[in-house]
Amino acid sequence: EPEVTQTPSHQVTQMGQEVILRCVPISNHLYFYWYRQILGQKVEFLVSFYNNEISEKSEIFDDQFSVERPDGSNFTLKIRSTKLEDSAMYFCASSDGVSSNQPQHFGDGTRLSIL
Amino acid sequence: SQKIEQNSEALNIQEGKTATLTCNYTNYSPAYLQWYRQDPGRGPVFLLLIRENEKEKRKERLKVTFDTTLKQSLFHITASQPADSATYLCASGAGSYQLTFGKGTKLSVIP
Repeated sequence: EPEVTQTPSHQVTQMGQEVILRCVPISNHLYFYWYRQILGQKVEFLVSFYNNEISEKSEIFDDQFSVERPDGSNFTLKIRSTKLEDSAMYFCASSDGVSSNQPQHFGDGTRLSIL
Repeated sequence: SQKIEQNSEALNIQEGKTATLTCNYTNYSPAYLQWYRQDPGRGPVFLLLIRENEKEKRKERLKVTFDTTLKQSLFHITASQPADSATYLCASGAGSYQLTFGKGTKLSVIP
């Protein structure tokens, strides 16, 4: 069964550094998402992306964050200047986009640790 | 904005029994609710979706109900097994592509 893959599985970065998290969504999916989960808390929506542009974003997704689909297969999340509170699991997801009530398929996440 | 509440943080049941997990929503009725399973260190895995106009949905040992009067969805696992032990997440899309998740209920099935 096709799956969403994320790299790296664990990223350790100094505060203030830039970090790029990478995802390969399922190949025929049209909608892509980033979510984050701080340890012990709920999964929170960050951003959705469709047709090469952001379609929705949450209050968490401020100017420090950006997303890109640099080629036909990768989808990236960049955090420009990391803060301690950015430490979390970051999940990429994709859906076929036929309608909003379709299941989302999640990767296993990147654990981001900011020192 | 929509809030999804899963009031039980943890549920322990005996193997073979039926586990029932509760999801409540506030404000407006979402167009649909989705249920996911999350294992430690893994991403959520989709299990079932139920639409607002559906009372009940089944898939193998899983059953989901949607009660718009009570603003509640119930998620049942019948004949539970230790392999069903995981955290179960309820999520709402409310017509948008972004999902709002509850905090989850950690289910432990005791042999």
